[in-house]
Amino acid sequence: AQKVTQAQTEISVVEKEDVTLDCVYETRDTTYYLFWYKQPPSGELVFLIRRNSFDEQNEISGRYSWNFQKSTSSFNFTITASQVVDSAVYFCALSEARSSASKIIFGSGTRLSIRP
Amino acid sequence: DAGVTQSPTHLIKTRGQQVTLRCSPKSGHDTVSWYQQALGQGPQFIFQYYEEEERQRGNFPDRFSGHQFPNYSSELNVNALLLGDSALYLCASSLGLVRRNTEAFFGQGTRLTVV
Repeated sequence: AQKVTQAQTEISVVEKEDVTLDCVYETRDTTYYLFWYKQPPSGELVFLIRRNSFDEQNEISGRYSWNFQKSTSSFNFTITASQVVDSAVYFCALSEARSSASKIIFGSGTRLSIRP
Repeated sequence: DAGVTQSPTHLIKTRGQQVTLRCSPKSGHDTVSWYQQALGQGPQFIFQYYEEEERQRGNFPDRFSGHQFPNYSSELNVNALLLGDSALYLCASSLGLVRRNTEAFFGQGTRLTVV
């Protein structure tokens, strides 16, 4: 069965600190997709990144970076120089190979608070 | 370009009642999925509709049913409401049932409270 584990329930850091959100996944599929979503208080899930299982290259987008390691089944997310606007709940997620938009399995989320 | 829109925003129902939630997908999208997000948890997949048919279903009882219309909009119906059905219900739309490298766009959800 597919499963996503986010062991960190809540993280609180001071603005400008770097923070890493951990994600570990389980799947029997050889082809799959991994995601990170941000959920602000408004409730809408905001897509941040998609990575397919064949692409282990790390990615950087501005202050955001992602580290995908297939050997440890991890897909960690780092925010560099955090800002108050980064405060939200972040979800790591996994979907099957048939479609990257089909049944998405979410972790339980990490609530990130950035203090001024 | 309107994104995914859901209505109503909030809803309060009594145990045993029935509820209908509505979703309009992002322009150009033809596939709609529904998720239930209980407080403090991640969203859980309920089902997915494409070409007016339920294509995939998660681990939810038959009290949860849905419909997709020819214009791709969708409804989620829940019968015989239980207190445990209180949650944020999220709709996601995407393009194509079997399509790689495509995004699911989420609406802001409907907050259902069962009393």
